[in-house]
Amino acid sequence: QSALTQPPSASGSPGQSVTISCTGTSDDVGGYDFVSWYQQHPGKAPKLLIYEVSKGPSGVPDRFSGSRSGNTASLTVSGLQAEDEADYYCSSYAGFNKWVFGGGTKLTVL
Amino acid sequence: QVQLVESGGGVVQPGRSLRLSCAASGFTFSNYGMHWVRQAPGKGLEWVAVILYDGSKKYYAESVKGRLTISRDNSKNTLYLQMNSLRVEDTAVYYCARYQHGFIDFWGQGTVVTVSS
Repeated sequence: QSALTQPPSASGSPGQSVTISCTGTSDDVGGYDFVSWYQQHPGKAPKLLIYEVSKGPSGVPDRFSGSRSGNTASLTVSGLQAEDEADYYCSSYAGFNKWVFGGGTKLTVL
Repeated sequence: QVQLVESGGGVVQPGRSLRLSCAASGFTFSNYGMHWVRQAPGKGLEWVAVILYDGSKKYYAESVKGRLTISRDNSKNTLYLQMNSLRVEDTAVYYCARYQHGFIDFWGQGTVVTVSS
């Protein structure tokens, strides 16, 4: 299975909103409601931000939101804060008991 | 609280073997499927394998099928990854992670595997 496509970088100023895209196919992102997003700070383990396309686990600020249109999922970070500077990864179930991740997006808070 | 602690990483020559372990605590381990996910230096995340809660089914990425084997011992609350015929391209941080319905909800801190001659 091929990796999902994410932009390598994104940026925004504090207080602004940034959206990160994640493009797959009808065999993964577009075919199942099992799209999730993870935040990873340098040297740390990933942390779950969004699951099942748009659901936020408890403890994650509602500044993080997810959506999907066709084969492209999106993560929006509203009200950017300095601590949001990190790498972000999307993931999707890809059928036949396989999972796939995106290549990651480095978010810079200017 | 949920804790996943990986161990067993190290430096190994190409073609050799290594076994990783992941000790789980803070939840009923035998109720959850578990994944291994890896991250090569400076690269993104790559799904490696998943095992069902009772060990009855195991699934692998094509890149590791036949060389890496996932297993678990629910009596010891421990997940394993047996890595045989290691290649340079297997060099990565290996994370164990808890499987929820369709996604991963908790990750360990990872253990580093370096394959080099």
